[in-house]
Amino acid sequence: LAKTTQPISMDSYEGQEVNITCSHNNIATNDYITWYQQFPSQGPRFIIQGYKTKVTNEVASLFIPADRKSSTLSLPRVSLSDTAVYYCLVGGAGSARQLTFGSGTQLTVLP
Amino acid sequence: DAMVIQNPRYQVTQFGKPVTLSCSQTLNHNVMYWYQQKSSQAPKLLFHYYDKDFNNEADTPDNFQSRRPNTSFCFLDIRSPGLGDAAMYLCATSRDRMLTQETQYFGPGTRLLVL
Repeated sequence: LAKTTQPISMDSYEGQEVNITCSHNNIATNDYITWYQQFPSQGPRFIIQGYKTKVTNEVASLFIPADRKSSTLSLPRVSLSDTAVYYCLVGGAGSARQLTFGSGTQLTVLP
Repeated sequence: DAMVIQNPRYQVTQFGKPVTLSCSQTLNHNVMYWYQQKSSQAPKLLFHYYDKDFNNEADTPDNFQSRRPNTSFCFLDIRSPGLGDAAMYLCATSRDRMLTQETQYFGPGTRLLVL
């Protein structure tokens, strides 16, 4: 079971780029890295997923170094509405173990 | 829009009185999950169904049961709720757990209060 470690909290200001790093030292060969966002009193929402190198979509980028022991979620030009908890999950095919959420990072965006 | 629906959003029950939370999905996904999330904590997987195949997490208390009568619906039964069971209960779905890339779609959750 791949355990993840994230900072408990981060503060940023509107318009800044935010990078949240997740450590997953015992990631397995077939594991993917997935990030979810959760607002208060709502279910988590998928943000981005990757296996290696860099993945980009309309809301975020995910950077994964060659050894895959960590990953960094990058949120460009955050706004107040990006204040949420961000979870990093690691897992692979055929297993519900990927569904073990880490402690998450509370991102607070300040005006 | 295809989605995961949980009703009710808020549920109040009494200590020891059985309660059922419901989840439905219009995504036609094979897998449905139940999570428990306590205040300021991460969601914790209780169990999941892969089609009709029930998979219980090792540390899920016996007090928690689940039923999936068909593809669209899944229920969480708490036989004798205790004060420690007060939490947000999240239902999620995924298309298939056997694919290498699999994402989950979460419902809005049901917040359970035990008096």
